[in-house]
Amino acid sequence: AQSVAQPEDQVNVAEGNPLTVKCTYSVSGNPYLFWYVQYPNRGLQFLLKYITGDNLVKGSYGFEAEFNKSQTSFHLKKPSALVSDSALYFCAVRDGNQAGTALIFGKGTTLSVSS
Amino acid sequence: DTEVTQTPKHLVMGMTNKKSLKCEQHMGHRAMYWYKQKAKKPPELMFVYSYEKLSINESVPSRFSPECPNSSLLNLHLHALQPEDSALYLCASSLSAGGHTDTQYFGPGTRLTVL
Repeated sequence: AQSVAQPEDQVNVAEGNPLTVKCTYSVSGNPYLFWYVQYPNRGLQFLLKYITGDNLVKGSYGFEAEFNKSQTSFHLKKPSALVSDSALYFCAVRDGNQAGTALIFGKGTTLSVSS
Repeated sequence: DTEVTQTPKHLVMGMTNKKSLKCEQHMGHRAMYWYKQKAKKPPELMFVYSYEKLSINESVPSRFSPECPNSSLLNLHLHALQPEDSALYLCASSLSAGGHTDTQYFGPGTRLTVL
């Protein structure tokens, strides 16, 4: 069965420091991986996705994510965190072996950036 | 433009009321979705429309009734809701319903409170 795990409920970093939000996945076919961010009382905003090709994916607002097939991971990273990055982050996956388009979401990780 | 709009932003209704949520996109997407999200939890898929036809109903109670009048509009009709139905209702759209690599773009949501 396909699944996504975000092992940390909360990540705390100081402004200016690098940040990492972790995501691991389990699918039977090719994984198609997505990161979304949600600010309070707002919808989900698309950050980036991995489909194929280069394992390092660059996205919006200076975020990037590294696809690691052997570790089945897709961690979200940013070299220098901003206070405004504080939000709820969701990793999601689609299984290339499954019909349909349902996104499987992780439980979410709250990122808190302190000044 | 990757905008999905939703109205109203907030809705308070009694358990005997009938109301509707509206969603609109003008990106030429042929798949549209309704999700329900509780606080600090991932979105839960409710319905998927593909080419204006209902393709997925995730065993949602009949007090929620979706409608897709045309390829740009999606409605969710509400009747006889329960207090536990209070949540953020998110609309999303994507290029197609079967495309594994297609990005889903989310609207800002409607915050529903059932008294």
